[in-house]
This record gives sequence, structure tokens and C-alpha cells, in this order.
Amino acid sequence: DGGITQSPKYLFRKEGQNVTLSCEQNLNHDAMYWYRQDPGQGLRLIYYSQIVNDFQKGDIAEGYSVSREKKESFPLTVTSAQKNPTAFYLCASSIVAGVNQPQHFGDGTRLSIL
Amino acid sequence: AQKITQTQPGMFVQEKEAVTLDCTYDTSDQSYGLFWYKQPSSGEMIFLIYQGSYDEQNATEGRYSLNFQKARKSANLVISASQLGDSAMYFCAAYTGRRALTFGSGTRLQVQP
Repeated sequence: DGGITQSPKYLFRKEGQNVTLSCEQNLNHDAMYWYRQDPGQGLRLIYYSQIVNDFQKGDIAEGYSVSREKKESFPLTVTSAQKNPTAFYLCASSIVAGVNQPQHFGDGTRLSIL
Repeated sequence: AQKITQTQPGMFVQEKEAVTLDCTYDTSDQSYGLFWYKQPSSGEMIFLIYQGSYDEQNATEGRYSLNFQKARKSANLVISASQLGDSAMYFCAAYTGRRALTFGSGTRLQVQP
């Protein structure tokens, strides 16, 4: 079945540590996205990529980094510069980036600070 | 900048009744898309319905319909014949000029038996 796979489901980070969240899709979608969700709030855009080897910052990119070396993969690294990383992280993809293209989401990764 | 407003933090509805979840948006773009997503307690985001800014008819998908009033910049979600499984967070979202979704703060719907 086609879909978006995020791993791990739960992740714990120590102070000063970088961690990487995985996002893989087999939908053959060009566009991929990372969102952050804090408790009781909506989603905020971290980074997005419209095509391989290209990505743009979203509203809250500071303290995060991404890469898009393959169409199927869009990993997110939470760096030690992100001082408040505890949140629910959602990866999404769409066929292309466009006003009439729904985004399909993975099941998310919950990141906590040890 | 794009802004989505959902003014109802929480809503209650009796099973089998209809419920309307409010959403207003603020954009200067002529071409835009409006989306509704459902988020159960497990966390995944489920796409429900889409409305394009040039669509003249309101979108419908099964028990979901979107009451689109362009002049008022509103895109309310109507759920007919509510079911217990409809209990979840519901998010309104719109495509920005940056080609990524902007989300509202959500409405928590609780369906009561």
C-alpha cells in the first residue's frame, strides 16, 4: 500500500544532541513538508520541498535542517540550537505543490527532551 | 500573510445530528485552496474535503460538506448525521503563496450518544 512512513514513533533527545526524524513516501509525490504541532495547537510549517535537491524554509525553520537527496525521502534534523524541541512532528507529501493538491500525512513522531 | 481563524475551541453534538465547524480565512490571493482535516487522538491527519477559490458549487464528500462563502471569506465544515467516531480535532487549512498549508488552531468536536 502506498503511504508515508515516519520513524521512530517516539524519540527522546538529550541536551546538546542532534536527532534525525525519518520520513519516507512511496506515493511518487514531488512535494514534501515538515510540520510541528504543539499541544492544543495547529500545525506550523518548518520546511518544505517542491522537488529533489531543493527545499525552502517555513515559518519556524530555526534550529532545524533538512535534505532532499531522493524523491522518496525528506529527513528532518532537530539540532541542539532548537531550545524547545518537545512537540509532535508531522511529515506530509503532495503530488505537486499547488492550490488544489491535498497533502497526505504520516502518523507523526513525538519528540521529548530527557 | 495568510491567516486561518477557527473561533470554536470545542463543540458538542448529539449523535445523528448535524454540526457546523466555523473557519474564516484572510488572503489577498485570487487563487487558493481550502482544506479540512480530521485529527483523531492517535495523531494522524486525515484529509476530508477540498474547495477551490474558483469553484462555484460547495464541495461535498459523503457526510461532509463545505459551506463556502467567498465574499465573507468563510469555509465552514458541515458534518451531517454525526457518529461517535467523528469525535476528533478538526483543522481548517489554506494554501499560501508559498505553496504550503497554513492551519487554523482547530476545533475539538465531541459527539455524545
